[in-house]
Amino acid sequence: KNEVEQSPQNLTAQEGEFITINCSYSVGISALHWLQQHPGGGIVSLFMLSSGKKKHGRLIATINIQEKHSSLHITASHPRDSAVYICAVNYPRGGADGLTFGKGTHLIIQP
Amino acid sequence: DSGVTQTPKHLITATGQRVTLRCSPRSGDLSVYWYQQSLDQGLQFLIQYYNGEERAKGNILERFSAQQFPDLHSELNLSSLELGDSALYFCASSVGGRVDYEQYFGPGTRLTVT
Repeated sequence: KNEVEQSPQNLTAQEGEFITINCSYSVGISALHWLQQHPGGGIVSLFMLSSGKKKHGRLIATINIQEKHSSLHITASHPRDSAVYICAVNYPRGGADGLTFGKGTHLIIQP
Repeated sequence: DSGVTQTPKHLITATGQRVTLRCSPRSGDLSVYWYQQSLDQGLQFLIQYYNGEERAKGNILERFSAQQFPDLHSELNLSSLELGDSALYFCASSVGGRVDYEQYFGPGTRLTVT
């Protein structure tokens, strides 16, 4: 079964720390998404990657296609970054297809 | 605000009943995806429509069906509801039909089956 593994499952850190969340997948993909879900439930798309690296503000996402691995980094973390971060990939099955999701990383940033 | 709207926000209904969830995509987006998020299964892809046609199918039960209308809004119909169908249902939209387009998520509909 094609799965998406995230680590860590839970992460508590102090404000200002550098945060890394990892995502591994099992077969070739054409897209990897990082999503953020706040306690209220809403989901926001942070990045969509097919190769290399993307940066948006304090967030950086990288992907290594050969190693089937992606990382999401948060620099100068802040309590408002507290959320669940979810990695999702598409496992191609003949054209258009949907996303397979990781279980998420629960991040708490303490002031 | 993603520009994707979903109604209703909350729905409480009894087992055996049928409900309809509605999604309006962002202006200009042709694709609508439906997802289910439950405590035990996490987020799961249900179905995708692109410009009115079914494009991809995921873990959607036979009791569930969806359609996309000419104005591009979509409805997810859930019938013969069971307790296990209680979940958050999200729709997302994107410009293109492939998953390598960014998806914009609606606020979700929380369904409680009693």
